[in-house]
Amino acid sequence: NAGVTQTPKFQVLKTGQSMTLQCAQDMNHEYMSWYRQDPGMGLRLIHYSVGAGITDQGEVPNGYNVSRSTTEDFPLRLLSAAPSQTSVYFCASSLEGGATQYFGPGTRLTVL
Amino acid sequence: AQSVTQLGSHVSVSEGALVLLRCNYSSSVPPYLFWYVQYPNQGLQLLLKYTSAATLVKGINGFEAEFKKSETSFHLTKPSAHMSDAAEYFCAVSETSGSRLTFGEGTQLTVNP
Repeated sequence: NAGVTQTPKFQVLKTGQSMTLQCAQDMNHEYMSWYRQDPGMGLRLIHYSVGAGITDQGEVPNGYNVSRSTTEDFPLRLLSAAPSQTSVYFCASSLEGGATQYFGPGTRLTVL
Repeated sequence: AQSVTQLGSHVSVSEGALVLLRCNYSSSVPPYLFWYVQYPNQGLQLLLKYTSAATLVKGINGFEAEFKKSETSFHLTKPSAHMSDAAEYFCAVSETSGSRLTFGEGTQLTVNP
C-alpha cells in the first residue's frame, strides 16, 4: 500500500493562477479531507468528503473547490491563487468518521 | 462546536526528563481525541487516540495520554525524553458524527542533551 499520496511536493504560483493539488489513497477509505497548515495555527480543515460524490465545507473553504468522483481521488482546486493561500497543504483519509486519519506528505505552495 | 487548546507553543526538556504536553478540548458530544506528531518536513503520524474505552491510552514511542472528562483534558506524557522526540505535537478532537478533525495550534518540543 502506498497510503496517501500527494502531488506535487512543491509549487510556486503567481497571483491569479489556478492549479489543482492531487491526492490519492489506496486504502479504500470513505473519508478524505484537505487541511492547510500555517505557523502557529495548527491544521485547519478546508473541505472534506464522506464518500464518492459527497463533499462539504470545512473551516476555511473560500478560494478552494473540491470534487470526489472516485473513492481513491480527492483533488483540491485553487481557482485564482492569492498570497494568503501560501501554506502547506495536507490530504488525509480515514475509514470512517472518528477513525484514525492517515496523512499524506504534504504540498508546499507559495503564491507570489 | 468542538475546539482544542494546547497550552504552550514551545516546550523544552532535557534528555531523560519527563515530557508533559497539555491539551484541553471542548465538545458537545463524547469526543474522539488524538495526538499526532510531525517531524520536520513530514506529514502527521498518529501517536495515540482515545475512543471511549480505557481512559489511559498508550501510544507509540513510549507516549501515553489520560482522558479526564471532569477537566476536559487529554495531556500527553512520556516518562523519559529522547533526542528523537524533538518534533511538533498536535492534539485533535473529532465528534462521532463525521470526519471533521479540529486541531490545536501545536506544541514544538525541544529536547536538550
